Amino acid sequence: ETGVTQTPRHLVMGMTNKKSLKCEQHLGHNAMYWYKQSAKKPLELMFVYSLEERVENNSVPSRFSPECPNSSHLFLHLHTLQPEDSALYLCASSQDPQRGSYNEQFFGPGTRLTVL
Amino acid sequence: AQSVAQPEDQVNVAEGNPLTVKCTYSVSGNPYLFWYVQYPNRGLQFLLKYITGDNLVKGSYGFEAEFNKSQTSFHLKKPSALVSDSALYFCAVRDFSGNTPLVFGKGTRLSVIA
Repeated sequence: ETGVTQTPRHLVMGMTNKKSLKCEQHLGHNAMYWYKQSAKKPLELMFVYSLEERVENNSVPSRFSPECPNSSHLFLHLHTLQPEDSALYLCASSQDPQRGSYNEQFFGPGTRLTVL
Repeated sequence: AQSVAQPEDQVNVAEGNPLTVKCTYSVSGNPYLFWYVQYPNRGLQFLLKYITGDNLVKGSYGFEAEFNKSQTSFHLKKPSALVSDSALYFCAVRDFSGNTPLVFGKGTRLSVIA
């Protein structure tokens, strides 16, 4: 999985901690995504960045803060999370996510987050 | 609004037998349809997609899917299952007429038994 990498792969944090998840794509894509994957629930799209501009924010609580400094890097800053935020956080990238795009997304391996 | 349904949480099949993982969708316009697979402790991997043209789409690892517009379905199939096909499979849809995100189904766990 050298196309999209995520670090760390596992993270355990307390509710008062601040941590960040990192994603890097080596595919030359111009769009990046954060998804939340919880057990028994569909994949939830959290944020979309296209050309480093946020184009989608699906009513995600403010304790999750994304950052996209360039088209290859995406961060998810975490602050005062709740136990129900424990999940697998997946990063993805694609080319041309705008109107009519049929390009597939490429996913990283995910960060398994546990909030105590 | 677009949506996708995977009616089976779990599919069990014997090795060597054909497998089918079901998917139905709902969009206001014409769909772009995708199948992804997720192995344990891994991200999702793209298998195949339907954009337009031939209703039978062939993808990675011997998988194929058939687009059926009248039944709004896009079932994933493989003629002969392998134990290594055991994984979580996701169907996804996007309405090509709007600037809408990809919507995923909740996934179907496939178990291939030797």
